[in-house]
Amino acid sequence: GAVVSQHPSRVICKSGTSVKIECRSLDFQATTMFWYRQFPKQSLMLMATSNEGSKATYEQGVEKDKFLINHASLTLSTLTVTSAHPEDSSFYICSAREDRGGNEKLFFGSGTQLSVL
Amino acid sequence: SQQGEEDPQALSIQEGENATMNCSYKTSINNLQWYRQNSGRGLVHLILIRSNEREKHSGRLRVTLDTSKKSSSLLITASRAADTASNFCATDPITDKLIFGTGTRLQVFP
Repeated sequence: GAVVSQHPSRVICKSGTSVKIECRSLDFQATTMFWYRQFPKQSLMLMATSNEGSKATYEQGVEKDKFLINHASLTLSTLTVTSAHPEDSSFYICSAREDRGGNEKLFFGSGTQLSVL
Repeated sequence: SQQGEEDPQALSIQEGENATMNCSYKTSINNLQWYRQNSGRGLVHLILIRSNEREKHSGRLRVTLDTSKKSSSLLITASRAADTASNFCATDPITDKLIFGTGTRLQVFP
C-alpha cells in the first residue's frame, strides 16, 4: 500500500524557535496533502490543505504566517511552525491522497509530537 | 469545525465480543470513511462507504450508512486485543477535504 513518511516523529524546542516538519509520499504522487493537529484524546482538526505549486488553503482560525506550508514537489510538503510557543505543543499529522482518479482515501504519516518549552 | 460526532466516546469489551460504534454528521456527503489510530500514531484507512450504499463489509468490519438520518455505524466482530485503538469516522462535506468525527476509543481486553 501507499506509504507516507513524516519526520521528525518527535521534537522538543525552545520557545521562539521554528520547527520544520516534513511529509513525503514515498511511492505515489500527491498533488494534495493535508495537515492536521490533534490534542490528547481528541479528534483531528484540519489546519490546511497543501497544494503542489500553489498556496496552501488554511482553515478558519489557523494563522498562515504562524504555520507556513510549502508543497514544492509532488511528493513533499513541509509545515514550519514559526516562533513556536508552548501553546503550539501538539501532535501534528500529515496525510496525502493519490493523484490517481477516484481514490478518495487518505494515507497518513505517523505524526510529529511537538513539545515547546 | 467538527463534522461528525461519535458515540460512544469510549468502549471496553472482552476479546471475542463485537464492538459497535456510531457516527452522526451534519451535511450531505459523497462518502463516509472509517479510520483507526493507535495511540500516538497516524491513521489507517479501514473502509469507505459511498452515499448511495447502505451497507458494506470488509473482513470483520461491517459499516452501515443511513443518509436520511445522517448516521453511520461500524461493527467490529470477534474483536481482538489488537483492535484496541481510536476509531474515527470521516466525511467529505466539501470536495477534497476530509473532516473527522470525535472518535471512539476502543479497548479490547484479552
